[in-house]
Amino acid sequence: QKEVEQDPGPLSVPEGAIVSLNCTYSNSAFQYFMWYRQYSRKGPELLMYTYSSGNKEDGRFTAQVDKSSKYISLFIRDSQPSDSATYLCAMSGDTGRRALTFGSGTRLQVQP
Amino acid sequence: KAGVTQTPRYLIKTRGQQVTLSCSPISGHRSVSWYQQTPGQGLQFLFEYFSETQRNKGNFPGRFSGRQFSNSRSEMNVSTLELGDSALYLCASSPDRGARTDTQYFGPGTRLTVL
Repeated sequence: QKEVEQDPGPLSVPEGAIVSLNCTYSNSAFQYFMWYRQYSRKGPELLMYTYSSGNKEDGRFTAQVDKSSKYISLFIRDSQPSDSATYLCAMSGDTGRRALTFGSGTRLQVQP
Repeated sequence: KAGVTQTPRYLIKTRGQQVTLSCSPISGHRSVSWYQQTPGQGLQFLFEYFSETQRNKGNFPGRFSGRQFSNSRSEMNVSTLELGDSALYLCASSPDRGARTDTQYFGPGTRLTVL
């Protein structure tokens, strides 16, 4: 079983919908949680970063971390066709903080 | 500020050859990490360099190696290439000031094809 599980999708939604993306993990040492967006044939782009538990909001994006359930989420409000990409969750612990463990990524398609 | 740059962007090699990939981090960033991305295994951590020293290493064979220079630029080398080494190799840099807000920013990657 992988340390980080993420539904690969694809997830198809109409423009304007609220999108919910999720990851579960098994390593209780993880403290740093990130969401990256990756367009086809490009490098991952950092969207959200959270330390430990809690919520964080940035524009149309909200990240949630529930360490007690080992579950993280990314919500995208008012989704746009330009949001169509693969979304990757990533996490690490205090030891080896730069050694990110990634989920497999969820492909999102926002239909105009 | 310029982002992370990687050269070359595309590379084709044959089995048994070796290859060197280069990464220039964001100005002022001191930590450089390397990742391999394949359709089957996803994104996997290779190693991290800080102050010219390897600080962390992932679970890859010794054919994969790297180094970092005094200006924080980094190179990774893969010797005796195998077909399974075909992948997108991504470099990420971090300021590593010790703050909890430090995180990693990725370059566009080098796409390596092994024939």
